[in-house]
Amino acid sequence: KQEVTQIPAALSVPEGENLVLNCSFTDSAIYNLQWFRQDPGKGLTSLLLIQSSQREQTSGRLNASLDKSSGRSTLYIAASQPGDSATYLCAPGDYGQNFVFGPGTRLSVLP
Amino acid sequence: EAQVTQNPRYLITVTGKKLTVTCSQNMNHEYMSWYRQDPGLGLRQIYYSMNVEVTDKGDVPEGYKVSRKEKRNFPLILESPSPNQTSLYFCASLKVGDWMNTEAFFGQGTRLTVV
Repeated sequence: KQEVTQIPAALSVPEGENLVLNCSFTDSAIYNLQWFRQDPGKGLTSLLLIQSSQREQTSGRLNASLDKSSGRSTLYIAASQPGDSATYLCAPGDYGQNFVFGPGTRLSVLP
Repeated sequence: EAQVTQNPRYLITVTGKKLTVTCSQNMNHEYMSWYRQDPGLGLRQIYYSMNVEVTDKGDVPEGYKVSRKEKRNFPLILESPSPNQTSLYFCASLKVGDWMNTEAFFGQGTRLTVV
């Protein structure tokens, strides 16, 4: 059974810093991995989808990498802003099109 | 606008009173799913449906029912709610290309409190 962990659990940084959020998963037989953002009490917004054949994917200030063989993905956030404050979830997708979610990293960017 | 719509957004009910949370998507996706989110436990899958009239249990199906009579709707039914079903519920719809391009879209969530 797939298990997903995310480090750190929480992070508080001043505005402008570059950030690294880590995701680890136990079963490398995945087809893709998706990163989501969740604002308090709200739904999940998809940020990036990385196919298992890709090494990384970029969208604006966000860059996600995937090392499938080692069971790791990393989300880089460049030049962080207060509006980036949210919980970030990673979710590897398996053959059954099921996504297993990590517990999330709660990010706070201070002005 | 492509979206997944859940109703209601907030619901307080009493133990044992049957309720239904509706979910509708306008993207013509075949695959839909229900999750619950609890502090410290993260998001866990309740049920999923790969197509009309095809449903299957996820990781935490006990106490829940679903139906998929048409592609756009996937209601979650609690026949006899109990306090341990107090949670934040999310419906998801999946865009399925080839396997590697499956992408999940989520509704805004339903906060359910059972007293």
